[in-house]
Amino acid sequence: GQQVMQIPQYQHVQEGEDFTTYCNSSTTLSNIQWYKQRPGGHPVFLIQLVKSGEVKKQKRLTFQFGEAKKNSSLHITATQTTDVGTYFCANAGGTSYGKLTFGQGTILTVHP
Amino acid sequence: DAGVIQSPRHEVTEMGQEVTLRCKPISGHNSLFWYRQTMMRGLELLIYFNNNVPIDDSGMPEDRFSAKMPNASFSTLKIQPSEPRDSAVYFCASSISDIQYFGAGTRLSVL
Repeated sequence: GQQVMQIPQYQHVQEGEDFTTYCNSSTTLSNIQWYKQRPGGHPVFLIQLVKSGEVKKQKRLTFQFGEAKKNSSLHITATQTTDVGTYFCANAGGTSYGKLTFGQGTILTVHP
Repeated sequence: DAGVIQSPRHEVTEMGQEVTLRCKPISGHNSLFWYRQTMMRGLELLIYFNNNVPIDDSGMPEDRFSAKMPNASFSTLKIQPSEPRDSAVYFCASSISDIQYFGAGTRLSVL
């Protein structure tokens, strides 16, 4: 898969504030996936975006795939303490083997 | 389904000892991945298999690391001899499409 750069590396917010993490690539991505890893836990699949300009929502989470399919974002509205963890974007390279290239992750801390 | 099962959950060993990590993928999944995660280096792909065949082991750090998948329901990652810098959390993941399902991981400490 293509390299994906993720920013910011860390984000500290007060509970109730919004949060956004961005995933960028210099080349067109076939798709983008988002995973969440709670502290001490393992990465868990959240969603996959495939289409240009696609927007999907899961409760307070909004996922977007850019029109050029070179970037993606995850936005959390009104963060809660349960949102803490590391959020990874990942790209599947289009092979049949399911290999993913992960971004570096954004570590979210939510202060109550 | 019980998900991807890894054992042991924690391993503490002394430098120079052999360490074997085990993974049982989700039944029916045809790809299996071994990752290592540290604060310094993040999540690194070590090796992955498709239909029990190793496809890419370019992420394996050294010859001290080896992995096998003798059948569709079992894989091992072996480190021999282990070194303190191998201390990390090792994850196994399986997939049948692009979506990967991770095990709970093995936290390895090499003293």
